[in-house]
Amino acid sequence: DAGITQSPRHKVTETGTPVTLRCHQTENHRYMYWYRQDPGHGLRLIHYSYGVKDTDKGEVSDGYSVSRSKTEDFLLTLESATSSQTSVYFCAISESTSYEQYFGPGTRLTVT
Amino acid sequence: AQSVTQPDIHITVSEGASLELRCNYSYGATPYLFWYVQSPGQGLQLLLKYFSGDTLVQGIKGFEAEFKRSQSSFNLRKPSVHWSDAAEYFCAVGALLTGGGNKLTFGTGTQLKVEL
Repeated sequence: DAGITQSPRHKVTETGTPVTLRCHQTENHRYMYWYRQDPGHGLRLIHYSYGVKDTDKGEVSDGYSVSRSKTEDFLLTLESATSSQTSVYFCAISESTSYEQYFGPGTRLTVT
Repeated sequence: AQSVTQPDIHITVSEGASLELRCNYSYGATPYLFWYVQSPGQGLQLLLKYFSGDTLVQGIKGFEAEFKRSQSSFNLRKPSVHWSDAAEYFCAVGALLTGGGNKLTFGTGTQLKVEL
């Protein structure tokens, strides 16, 4: 299995509070992604990174920001959490020479 | 924009029976296609992928999928299902992103139940 960890694995937070989720990889892959999974929607891309300090928006980026200061870490921040951001968040990685993505174990976030 | 349709939300099969999960995609160019499996509370595991070449691709756990361009389909098959195959299955199509990398667009998934 690809070396991908996500922290925390579970989090409950209140509306309006900031939340940061961390993805850490040991594979030295160039590309990293954040997806959210919701019933009836499959997985949807939030943001992605194509290198250190290089990031771009996905299809559901409103309310989220990301940062990547090291190859191995990709952070997802909810600036002011809302109930609509209750979801399961997955990090994925891929290398330059192939197209498949490998997924982390996920973070279940509940915003009350 | 690309899209994926998995028309079957739930499928139930008996252990030992054959399985086919349907996937239809919409994409303007040659697609990169994937099947992933997700067990409860787990991340997604790659079963198989199609980039080019032979339209019948083999994957892990005895799964295979066939790319049919004329039907815009990439159906997943297994000749004999095991109880441990019970999980949710996702089909995805990949598109290149600005800056590189590959955006995956997923279907909504098919939940497989296996009866003993």
